[in-house]
Amino acid sequence: DTEVTQTPKHLVMGMTNKKSLKCEQHMGHRAMYWYKQKAKKPPELMFVYSYEKLSINESVPSRFSPECPNSSLLNLHLHALQPEDSALYLCASSQGSRNYGYTFGSGTRLTVV
Amino acid sequence: GDSVTQMEGPVTLSEEAFLTINCTYTATGYPSLFWYVQYPGEGLQLLLKATKADDKGSNKGFEATYRKETTSFHLEKGSVQVSDSAVYFCALRWTSGSRLTFGEGTQLTVNP
Repeated sequence: DTEVTQTPKHLVMGMTNKKSLKCEQHMGHRAMYWYKQKAKKPPELMFVYSYEKLSINESVPSRFSPECPNSSLLNLHLHALQPEDSALYLCASSQGSRNYGYTFGSGTRLTVV
Repeated sequence: GDSVTQMEGPVTLSEEAFLTINCTYTATGYPSLFWYVQYPGEGLQLLLKATKADDKGSNKGFEATYRKETTSFHLEKGSVQVSDSAVYFCALRWTSGSRLTFGEGTQLTVNP
């Protein structure tokens, strides 16, 4: 298995809703990432988990809450989002060595109404 | 800090034309270099990589050579197809455990 699987593919939520994005990989990668990507822009790093521990939080608002239940799963819990949070949310995983790039999922297209 | 500069887009070519997308980087030491491709509505896919000077990465007819002297990693393809229309991102990774640093991306459109 050489894939990162993200669900759902599309999500529309209101500003008072609570929802979660899910990400799964079975490549044995011990680093997992959440990115936010706006149209025509490169991905922006949000969170990094290394060996199931949060190692980087790029000053992301608390309405985004990551969780890593085990080495294969990564969740992003969403609450009280704003319309400007509408974007493509990408999950990625990687091996530790710098010689390897990241493997990205196909993303969740989030629309906040 | 580390940075990646890509040629500004968008780039529009006719089918079978030659493609070059320029990428230069600023980094301390010798990072690993990557090209990613993002097709409409999809995530990023690793296209090719090079991990040391003079390495050439290649995949699906695309090539890029790690040039230490010019700190560059230009993407080339001899004959583009309509299906190559996508956004291309150059990226570097400096050390083990470090994050990927992306360029701004270059939109390529190939017309029949």
